[in-house]
Amino acid sequence: GDSVTQMEGPVTLSEEAFLTINCTYTATGYPSLFWYVQYPGEGLQLLLKATKADDKGSNKGFEATYRKETTSFHLEKGSVQVSDSAVYFCALSNAGGTSYGKLTFGQGTILTVHP
Amino acid sequence: EAQVTQNPRYLITVTGKKLTVTCSQNMNHEYMSWYRQDPGLGLRQIYYSMNVEVTDKGDVPEGYKVSRKEKRNFPLILESPSPNQTSLYFCASTDSPRPSGANVLTFGAGSRLTVL
Repeated sequence: GDSVTQMEGPVTLSEEAFLTINCTYTATGYPSLFWYVQYPGEGLQLLLKATKADDKGSNKGFEATYRKETTSFHLEKGSVQVSDSAVYFCALSNAGGTSYGKLTFGQGTILTVHP
Repeated sequence: EAQVTQNPRYLITVTGKKLTVTCSQNMNHEYMSWYRQDPGLGLRQIYYSMNVEVTDKGDVPEGYKVSRKEKRNFPLILESPSPNQTSLYFCASTDSPRPSGANVLTFGAGSRLTVL
């Protein structure tokens, strides 16, 4: 079945540092890929997405590129802020049948940014 | 404001005492789903519903029931809760799922359940 693997956390950075959170996936067909973010005490919200190979999703300074050859969707940000402290989830959605609408999530990566 | 509302947000209960977590969305979404979040495991789907009166099991349905009598509501029922159901629960919804799989889910704020 489908699966998503994220880098082990937690990740602790100083403000303005460069961020990379690795994400790799296993899936049949051509899944769509997502990064969701969960701020303390809140539900998950979409950060960015990509629906086909070589697509780049971007939002709020974060970027991720859908790499089919390496089955990866790594999240990057050039300069993190304290307000980026949250849990980040990589996820995929596969088309077809009753998989419609279902997201398969990675384990989540806790990011803490210090001033 | 478009949103998914869950209640209660926090609940402590005892083994065997039936409980219901309510979920309501105001976006006229057809698809609704329940997930549980556990440390190191991410979110796992419990049940989902493609439309009114249409529900099906997700990856971890044991010990849970759901119903979808109205489009906006999708309650999660624990008939006889056990300590291994202590978790953070999320309800989510989306419009008609697209064949491309590119649906964006809208999540509720979560319900933290502790079963003693």
